[in-house]
Amino acid sequence: QQQVKQSPQSLIVQKGGISIINCAYENTAFDYFPWYQQFPGKGPALLIAIRPDVSEKKEGRFTISFNKSAKQFSLHIMDSQPGDSATYFCAAHASGGSYIPTFGRGTSLIVHP
Amino acid sequence: DVKVTQSSRYLVKRTGEKVFLECVQDMDHENMFWYRQDPGLGLRLIYFSYDVKMKEKGDIPEGYSVSREKKERFSLILESASTNQTSMYLCASSPPGQYYGYTFGSGTRLTVV
Repeated sequence: QQQVKQSPQSLIVQKGGISIINCAYENTAFDYFPWYQQFPGKGPALLIAIRPDVSEKKEGRFTISFNKSAKQFSLHIMDSQPGDSATYFCAAHASGGSYIPTFGRGTSLIVHP
Repeated sequence: DVKVTQSSRYLVKRTGEKVFLECVQDMDHENMFWYRQDPGLGLRLIYFSYDVKMKEKGDIPEGYSVSREKKERFSLILESASTNQTSMYLCASSPPGQYYGYTFGSGTRLTVV
């Protein structure tokens, strides 16, 4: 059972465009939602994260939008650059649980120059 | 800068061989994890450990075992490697009771021939 559904599986965007990756979850106990960025040959690294008490969090060109009622959250990359080309994973944690994140299956983003 | 180090970047082994994948972290983290990463399947948890000599099964433990004799070192063991264990293996660590200290190593790409 896939508890965090991520889409799309792959995404191609032109330089300067907006990249949008979506995730949906089912477990209402989830209360921390990080995004990880993975470059080829590297492990995933924490990019940005949000808690459900806010609807949006922005760090530079990266924004998480969170819709608690719909149980959805998304990553927006503004002014996408070729250096943003990577695999992105959403994840969800439940504070009352084991602190082990449930990951989405990942999105491979390619930004063309 | 905190680090999770995986001893091999690339490894080629023969079917039936016993394979050891090593992971060392320098952050004094209690929690350590082993994942495998496959295209389209994302990150799947194999085993994790909350303390020395302690281990817990993840989602896909079949065909694997682990060893944690020291706090900083967590080893993944393939008792008898098979071709379906060809994958990218990622180690991660985190401090106890926290979401945000999740740090991954750079991965070991294992090919079983």
